[in-house]
Amino acid sequence: QVQLQESGPGLVKPSETLSLSCTVSGGSISSYYWGWIRQPPGKGLDWIGGFSYGGSTNYLPSLKSRITISIAPSKNQLSLELRSVTAADTAVYWCARYSTVDGFDIWGQGTMVTVSS
Amino acid sequence: QSVLTQPPSVSGAPGQRVTISCTGSSSNIGAGHDVHWYQHLPGTAPKLLISVNSNRPSGVPDRFSGSRSGTSASLAITGLQAEDEADYYCQSYDSSLSSYVFGEGTKLTVL
Repeated sequence: QVQLQESGPGLVKPSETLSLSCTVSGGSISSYYWGWIRQPPGKGLDWIGGFSYGGSTNYLPSLKSRITISIAPSKNQLSLELRSVTAADTAVYWCARYSTVDGFDIWGQGTMVTVSS
Repeated sequence: QSVLTQPPSVSGAPGQRVTISCTGSSSNIGAGHDVHWYQHLPGTAPKLLISVNSNRPSGVPDRFSGSRSGTSASLAITGLQAEDEADYYCQSYDSSLSSYVFGEGTKLTVL
């Protein structure tokens, strides 16, 4: 079955760039919509952006100037880049697969990213 | 603050029925965008509980049901069990924001 695995640094310094990867196994990334969702400590879930198999991306408006999501089909990977991070970007980050008939039906296990000097 | 409003908490005794509301607007639920529900236990990944307003994915007990009407949706849980204690989130799409949106989340306590 399809599985997702996030990877990347657990600690990022303020003003630097947060970079995460999500490797898809058991299926192709070249279909479906793939999203990134995060949860700051003690808060709820926030969708922050995603990539559609058609090649389009969409982002949370408040992050649009700092975020880039892309895919590497040859690696079956989804990537997240969040620039100029602050403590407010500290969160658990998940990648997840989305379809209109199933919602976000498959999630990675999540990775905690702390922004601190 | 999310565009989908949920009660911060609900509670019920084992065996009872509880409902969790998700109130949106004409740019999300009211625009016809479907609502999905997720169950989230601390330290784990959220789990899809109800898709497309009322569909239960394979493996989800029929104690869980969902509905949508107008600008709102709701999740009902019957025959409450201790293992149902978790955070529950609704999720839809907002046309004005061009964004997928989650509700603020509701913490279910089984008394």
